[in-house]
Amino acid sequence: DAKTTQPPSMDCAEGRAANLPCNHSTISGNEYVYWYRQIHSQGPQYIIHGLKNNETNEMASLIITEDRKSSTLILPHATLRDTAVYYCIVLLRSSGNTPLVFGKGTRLSVIA
Amino acid sequence: DTGVSQDPRHKITKRGQNVTFRCDPISEHNRLYWYRQTLGQGPEFLTYFQNEAQLEKSRLLSDRFSAERPKGSFSTLEIQRTEQGDSAMYLCASSLVGRRVETQYFGPGTRLLVL
Repeated sequence: DAKTTQPPSMDCAEGRAANLPCNHSTISGNEYVYWYRQIHSQGPQYIIHGLKNNETNEMASLIITEDRKSSTLILPHATLRDTAVYYCIVLLRSSGNTPLVFGKGTRLSVIA
Repeated sequence: DTGVSQDPRHKITKRGQNVTFRCDPISEHNRLYWYRQTLGQGPEFLTYFQNEAQLEKSRLLSDRFSAERPKGSFSTLEIQRTEQGDSAMYLCASSLVGRRVETQYFGPGTRLLVL
């Protein structure tokens, strides 16, 4: 079973920031938080991951709370092409490890 | 394009037929995963390889399913005697184990419809 809880759906106006929450209250100290997204009829796309510090890349920012029990993925200026299902996944830190366990994710609709 | 590729992208078959899918991982990646995704659900793990060794199979992988990665590069997933319940998107992902943090990169998937 997925170790994360996400809202089933969210809307965001085009050009605004999309903030996608994820609860992972049972996360352990050696587990990373990963985010993937899946645009309709395509394979999942890796977005970002983090352990305890906030992370930023060209796609998004990841904010992890100090207690690590929740995180937020931020798309700073959402476009229509960001409409997708977003998956938050926790994964053990050491390499060579477990397959990804996907939940149902959050369906983000970006509205013009 | 140096990403993960899958072939075919779509397959329609009749119940009882055998089908085979191919996955070509990112060239230097030593680990290869197969997942299955049904409508409205997230992907579910089927099996994975490290180089040519198949290290884990999920309980979803019935005896009608077989996967190979003979030379540690591309992989094939075969389904024998297909059933309507096999209709799904079959996804392949690859990663490089040995780095501090393993990140899996997915292909576009093969969508199977069993009539």
